[in-house]
Amino acid sequence: GAVVSQHPSRVICKSGTSVKIECRSLDFQATTMFWYRQFPKKSLMLMATSNEGSKATYEQGVEKDKFLINHASLTLSTLTVTSAHPEDSSFYICSARVLASGSGGTSTDTQYFGPGTRLTVL
Amino acid sequence: AQSVTQLDSHVSVSEGTPVLLRCNYSSSYSPSLFWYVQHPNKGLQLLLKYTSAATLVKGINGFEAEFKKSETSFHLTKPSAHMSDAAEYFCVVTPYTGGFKTIFGAGTRLFVKA
Repeated sequence: GAVVSQHPSRVICKSGTSVKIECRSLDFQATTMFWYRQFPKKSLMLMATSNEGSKATYEQGVEKDKFLINHASLTLSTLTVTSAHPEDSSFYICSARVLASGSGGTSTDTQYFGPGTRLTVL
Repeated sequence: AQSVTQLDSHVSVSEGTPVLLRCNYSSSYSPSLFWYVQHPNKGLQLLLKYTSAATLVKGINGFEAEFKKSETSFHLTKPSAHMSDAAEYFCVVTPYTGGFKTIFGAGTRLFVKA
């Protein structure tokens, strides 16, 4: 299956600093990537949709100036948490979308997820 | 409106016994359906996906799921649980291929007792 990597896997930073998280599709090109946030023992919350070569689309309630997303190439999207605060501490997961054609003219829209990045802001 | 409901927040089984994780969905369109597994502090791994080619879908690690349109269900099963199956499982729906947003279920935590 398709492989998505994230770097770093975990990061600890001081309050007020910025942190950049990279999401790469290793063996395929992804025109669309997604960024999720996951709170402890909770499901994933979609933060934004990242489209290559255009501005990201943010979900309601997500501050676009705080969570900067750049999708500069078909294999790389970055999420920068600016002026991080302790409440930004969370598990951040990216995914890359693959549209595949199936039999009978059908198609499947599948997301492949990265391993996640644990952010801790002190 | 589109939605997905995982009927159990947690399921506990003994090793070697069958596993059933329930998922119901609501979609106005022909959906794409997925099951993902997440081990602690890890990303999500795709277990299987429904592509509309066959209603019984076989996935990795012995898991399978059956799409039942009349019941709007996509339950995940495994004949015999293994200790390594203990994890969080998410039922996921994409209501319209390439179109609407992916919807995640709340997750079901599977516990496997020795």
